[in-house]
Amino acid sequence: DSGVTQTPKHLITATGQRVTLRCSPRSGDLSVYWYQQSLDQGLQFLIQYYNGEERAKGNILERFSAQQFPDLHSELNLSSLELGDSALYFCASSVSATQGATEAFFGQGTRLTVV
Amino acid sequence: DAKTTQPNSMESNEEEPVHLPCNHSTISGTDYIHWYRQLPSQGPEYVIHGLTSNVNNRMASLAIAEDRKSSTLILHRATLRDAAVYYCILRDLTSGTYKYIFGTGTRLKVLA
Repeated sequence: DSGVTQTPKHLITATGQRVTLRCSPRSGDLSVYWYQQSLDQGLQFLIQYYNGEERAKGNILERFSAQQFPDLHSELNLSSLELGDSALYFCASSVSATQGATEAFFGQGTRLTVV
Repeated sequence: DAKTTQPNSMESNEEEPVHLPCNHSTISGTDYIHWYRQLPSQGPEYVIHGLTSNVNNRMASLAIAEDRKSSTLILHRATLRDAAVYYCILRDLTSGTYKYIFGTGTRLKVLA
């Protein structure tokens, strides 16, 4: 158990809909990262938050948004869903955003299926 | 973002050592080398990291070339549970924050 909790584990929804994925980081971790992993693809970095503020953006679509709340949990919002958005979405957390030696801890992921 | 190059797949026999290579010729002085692995249907799991010196922990060893342009993850005795995709990552400091950029990784198959 990494200590990172993602909910829900599975989500099935229709095209055009909006969903919210939730991530609770490890206790004490201030930085949260979101990744997308499509079938047989690598992990694509989407976005990073640190202590409530956006710190880095990757290949995140405009239809996607995220935020980190004062209690440090984070939500990834996916809207106007398309079939191609079907993927595993992982959240990771780390203590620091500015120390290269810090390891990241990943959750078990949310499997999103768009039908 | 600095990139890493890894073989797509490797095979090893159980109980034998495994050396997983990674090239990162464009590494910068602020990049840490991290290794993660992803078992089937699970999230990535931290294995080891280093900057310049070789590193050992209970899971593996990391050997870093003197010029830092390549590194090797060493599993001393592969078990069936080590079958996974192994990612070599440069923890890249840009915009004042480190982020983890994953490549395609090496799929390790362990033969009984």
